[in-house]
Amino acid sequence: LAKTTQPISMDSYEGQEVNITCSHNNIATNDYITWYQQFPSQGPRFIIQGYKTKVTNEVASLFIPADRKSSTLSLPRVSLSDTAVYYCLVGVTDKLIFGTGTRLQVFP
Amino acid sequence: GAVVSQHPSRVICKSGTSVKIECRSLDFQATTMFWYRQFPKQSLMLMATSNEGSKATYEQGVEKDKFLINHASLTLSTLTVTSAHPEDSSFYICSAPGTGTRGYGYTFGSGTRLTVV
Repeated sequence: LAKTTQPISMDSYEGQEVNITCSHNNIATNDYITWYQQFPSQGPRFIIQGYKTKVTNEVASLFIPADRKSSTLSLPRVSLSDTAVYYCLVGVTDKLIFGTGTRLQVFP
Repeated sequence: GAVVSQHPSRVICKSGTSVKIECRSLDFQATTMFWYRQFPKQSLMLMATSNEGSKATYEQGVEKDKFLINHASLTLSTLTVTSAHPEDSSFYICSAPGTGTRGYGYTFGSGTRLTVV
């Protein structure tokens, strides 16, 4: 299972774009990169998944460079409700193993 | 989309008693359910994997006699914390796999906050 490294915490203000980078130097050829979001006292929810280049959905964008050793979750124009913990997962087979995640705090 | 209903959302019990937590898949069949525990300000820790009709698989260090898991039907998995103690106080969350591959779209319950007094 590829190890991931993320910043422990990040602060932002409403309306700003937030980029959270995840390092996964030992990613395997067939591994996908998946991000989950967890609000306080709730179960996590799936945000986005990608394999290479760029993926975009209604919530976020995921940028993956050619070497795939890192990935960046981009949240456009965050609001207070985006305050949460964001987890980067790599190398999932069947069960999700969560790392420490990045605690994002959005201020007014 | 897929929904996993988890109950109760919050429970307080006395030390030495048992508590049952239920997770139901509402609009799909979940042959597998994952159970996590989360302490304050920490990440989710996988405790065990339940499979419908067979014994659960526990992660290393998790006491299977203390955390009883039953997956009796395709829509119901339960976790029973037996002889609960204050150190078992935590946030327990269940999750069903998504229909995609490799981590895509797993559905989580809303969690159960257990407080043992």
